[in-house]
Parts: sequence; structure tokens; C-alpha cells
Amino acid sequence: AQSVSQHNHHVILSEAASLELGCNYSYGGTVNLFWYVQYPGQHLQLLLKYFSGDPLVKGIKGFEAEFIKSKFSFNLRKPSVQWSDTAEYFCAVRSGGGNKLTFGTGTQLKVEL
Amino acid sequence: GAVVSQHPSWVICKSGTSVKIECRSLDFQATTMFWYRQFPKQSLMLMATSNEGSKATYEQGVEKDKFLINHASLTLSTLTVTSAHPEDSSFYICSVSGLATHEQYFGPGTRLTVT
Repeated sequence: AQSVSQHNHHVILSEAASLELGCNYSYGGTVNLFWYVQYPGQHLQLLLKYFSGDPLVKGIKGFEAEFIKSKFSFNLRKPSVQWSDTAEYFCAVRSGGGNKLTFGTGTQLKVEL
Repeated sequence: GAVVSQHPSWVICKSGTSVKIECRSLDFQATTMFWYRQFPKQSLMLMATSNEGSKATYEQGVEKDKFLINHASLTLSTLTVTSAHPEDSSFYICSVSGLATHEQYFGPGTRLTVT
């Protein structure tokens, strides 16, 4: 069975710091990759996704992620975080052409002023 | 994207009773709906997938007789937790997907506490 690992469970940054959240998956075939964000008290929202093509994908709110097939990774980045980026971030993978998502355990990001 | 609502947003029930949670797709024809549960500080775990008008497909380890799922229309799915026990206390989240999209749109979740 496939799995998704998010290595950072809690991250605390100051505003304007750069962010990189790790995501690795275990599946050798074709994958679709997603990053979701959950702001406090709100539902999961899609930040960005990778299906095919350019491995560097740009999402909303200045986030981007890079798919590195050889490393089975899809790390999320943002050059300069804001206090409003405080949220929980989930990496998710869909594989084998199905429609099921497998989620990582999430990373709680806190941005301090 | 789709707007998805869940009702109730939180519920407390006594052990042995049943609880029904609704998931509504307000502006989107949800041919497929998913039900997840999330324990504190853990990931979302898929419980079941349901296609409109069909029986739900449950993930391994999820008791289909305990977690009854009905997806009778393109806008409504319900999850009934039967004979609830304290270990069923969790955050239940639904999501929807359509024929033309590979994305899932998530509801706000329902917090269930069984006493």
C-alpha cells in the first residue's frame, strides 16, 4: 500500500522567513500529487497540484512545489511566509488512476510576527 | 470549486445510540463522495467511497455495518454511525468529486463525541 510521509510535524517561523515542507511518497507508478491547507476552523483547501508536465508547480498565495520523481518527493515552498499562513498543511497522493487520496500526517505551521 | 457543507458541525451522543451526519454539495454535482475520519494530530484516513446511486466501497478495516453510508443523490450523502462507542469519537470529513474533475472538495467536518 502506498504511504505519504511528512517529516516536519510542527514548524515555527518568523514572518518573511522562507518555508519548505517535506513530502515523500512510496509508490512507483504514475501519481498525482496535492498540497492542501487547513486554516484554523476552516475546511481543507487545495493549494496546488501536480498531474504532469513541468515539475515545478505554482499554487495560490505564493506557494509552489517541486515534484522530484527520483526522490519520490513533492516539497512545498514559499519564499516569504506571512502570519496568515499559520495553518496545517497536508500532502496527498493519488495513484494508479484511481480517485482515492492518501494523506500525510500533516504539518502544523505557526508564523510569528 | 464546489461548496460542501456538513451537518451537524459537532454532536455529542451517548454510547449505544446512532448518529447521522449529512454532507451536502451545494453547487456541484457530486458523482463521488468520500468519507474520512481524522483523529487528533493524525492524518485523514479514508473510510469509504460512494458513487451516486451505488453501494459504498469501504476501506479495509472499516465496518460497513457500523458506518452506514447512503449517497442517494448528486448533492447529498449521509454517514450513520450505528451503536456508537467512545472509540468512535473523531472528526468526520466528507469530500466530493465530479465526473469532469480529479479534485476533491472538502466539507468543514463534524466533530463526534460519544460519552
